[in-house]
Order: sequence, then structure tokens, then C-alpha cells
Amino acid sequence: AQRVTQPEKLLSVFKGAPVELKCNYSYSGSPELFWYVQYSRQRLQLLLRHISRESIKGFTADLNKGETSFHLKKPFAQEEDSAMYYCALSGGGANNLFFGTGTRLTVIP
Amino acid sequence: EAQVTQNPRYLITVTGKKLTVTCSQNMNHEYMSWYRQDPGLGLRQIYYSMNVEVTDKGDVPEGYKVSRKEKRNFPLILESPSPNQTSLYFCASSSTSGGIGKQFFGPGTRLTVL
Repeated sequence: AQRVTQPEKLLSVFKGAPVELKCNYSYSGSPELFWYVQYSRQRLQLLLRHISRESIKGFTADLNKGETSFHLKKPFAQEEDSAMYYCALSGGGANNLFFGTGTRLTVIP
Repeated sequence: EAQVTQNPRYLITVTGKKLTVTCSQNMNHEYMSWYRQDPGLGLRQIYYSMNVEVTDKGDVPEGYKVSRKEKRNFPLILESPSPNQTSLYFCASSSTSGGIGKQFFGPGTRLTVL
């Protein structure tokens, strides 16, 4: 069965410090992994997906199949990064998107 | 503007009074889905639809119904709401080409069942 684990409910970092939001998954096939973000008073929106191998707003995430992880990283946190972040998994060809429980990131000025 | 809309945005009701939350998208997406968001539990899928007249259960379908008579609309029906259905509900849609992972979300509907 698919499962997405985000071990940290809350994460606080200082502005300019590196940030890493952890995501681990369990899935027997080839997963597609995503990070979604929800800024205050805004809709949940896709931040990035592993197949794109892109950097969005300075964030990157690498799929590590050996460790079954998809951690989200940014070298220098900004105040505007404060938001709720969700890791999500879709099994290849599946019709469902499974979300983790989310991590609330607060960047302290 | 391409978007997903939900109505109402806020709703307070009483146990057992049937209600419908509407969801509409203008992006011609095949896939639509309903989620509920609860503290500490993240987003959990209630129902989804791959296309018109094609719906299926998600992780937490009990107490909910859906229909997909038109491509743009995907209403969520609570026939007999109970207090444990108090939650924040999100509708989402995506194109099925390239997978359903890139979903566009509505603004959410906050439901309170007394």
C-alpha cells in the first residue's frame, strides 16, 4: 500500500539558513513524487514534481529510491517561503494522489 | 482565468440535513477529485472521477456521494451529515495526459456540522 510520511509537523528556520523538509514514502512500484505548497490564504498548488527535475523558487527535491525519500531543500530560506508543504505520491498509472500529513515551515526574520 | 471554483466557501449545518458542495472547473480536465483536510491527518481523498459518468472511491468515502454528469462539474453530496464530517474540503482537477499528479485545487469549503 502507498504511504507518505512527513515526520515533522512544524519546522522553523532563520532567514538565510538552509531548509530541508523531509518526505519518505513506501510504494512497491515506480512512484511519481510531488511537493505541493499552501501559502497563507492561497490555494494549494503544485511546487514541483520529481520527473521534471526542476528548481522552483529555489527549491529542489531529489528522488532517492534506495532510501525511499523525496526531501525538499532550499539553500537559503526566505520569509516568503513560510507555508504549509505537502509531499504527495502517485503510483505510475494510478488514479490516486496520496498526501502526507504536511509540514508547516516558518522562516524567522 | 483557468480555475476550480467551489460553493459555498463556508457552511454551518445540523446533523442529518442533506447538503451539496458544488465544484466546477473551466480547464476541460478529465480528472476531478474531492479531498478533506483535517489537522494532523493531511489531505485524504474522498472520491475521484476519471471522466463523465466514471467515479470511484478514495480513501474515506463513507458518508459521501458524488456524481459526474458533466465534464466541468463534480458535486459532493452529504446525504445525512454528521459532526465527524466537520472539515475543510477541497476539490481538484487535472488533465489525465501525463498523469494526474499535477492537480489544480479549489479554494476550499469549510463545513461545520452541529
